[in-house]
Amino acid sequence: NAGVTQTPKFRILKIGQSMTLQCTQDMNHNYMYWYRQDPGMGLKLIYYSVGAGITDKGEVPNGYNVSRSTTEDFPLRLELAAPSQTSVYFCASSPMGHLTTNTGELFFGEGSRLTVL
Amino acid sequence: GQQLNQSPQSMFIQEGEDVSMNCTSSSIFNTWLWYKQDPGEGPVLLIALYKAGELTSNGRLTAQFGITRKDSFLNISASIPSDVGIYFCAGQNKETSGSRLTFGEGTQLTVNP
Repeated sequence: NAGVTQTPKFRILKIGQSMTLQCTQDMNHNYMYWYRQDPGMGLKLIYYSVGAGITDKGEVPNGYNVSRSTTEDFPLRLELAAPSQTSVYFCASSPMGHLTTNTGELFFGEGSRLTVL
Repeated sequence: GQQLNQSPQSMFIQEGEDVSMNCTSSSIFNTWLWYKQDPGEGPVLLIALYKAGELTSNGRLTAQFGITRKDSFLNISASIPSDVGIYFCAGQNKETSGSRLTFGEGTQLTVNP
């Protein structure tokens, strides 16, 4: 039961570097999300996707890009890393959109801790 | 945008004590969810509430969906050390925000043995 898998778990970047956080889910969920969690703060939505080929901005999209070429994968890209992007990033998926479910539940990965120096 | 005010921010309690935390909003939600986050892990769903006034239990946890649809509380009875973690409320309004959840800022719970 893999669920939502994120890689890497930890990464240190220099200012201006780029990287991609990988996220994959094996639950056939249509909906996927990227959140960031700063110390003492709740989860802020960066981008989300309601299905392959469809993405949309959340609350804090600046500095990030996403793509959704398959149902399973939802990578998050940082093009020019900045210290303000130091955070813990969580990918999540949801069965929303399936005819058999009405749940708002999100299933989260274990997180990717990113430090930008 | 929608905001959730979660309180308290942190709690330090003795094992065996009961705990209560709540979330309030200026906006209406039609789903309330309570998540727990263990250190180094992603949040995990504890309880989901779908109807105003609904009271739902999950073991020692009880949560209620406020009648006004603008608040929810979570109670933990007879706390144990493994209850330590961050508890988040989350609200959803499919009419205004689709599948997106709005999260509270979390309640950090510490249980002293």
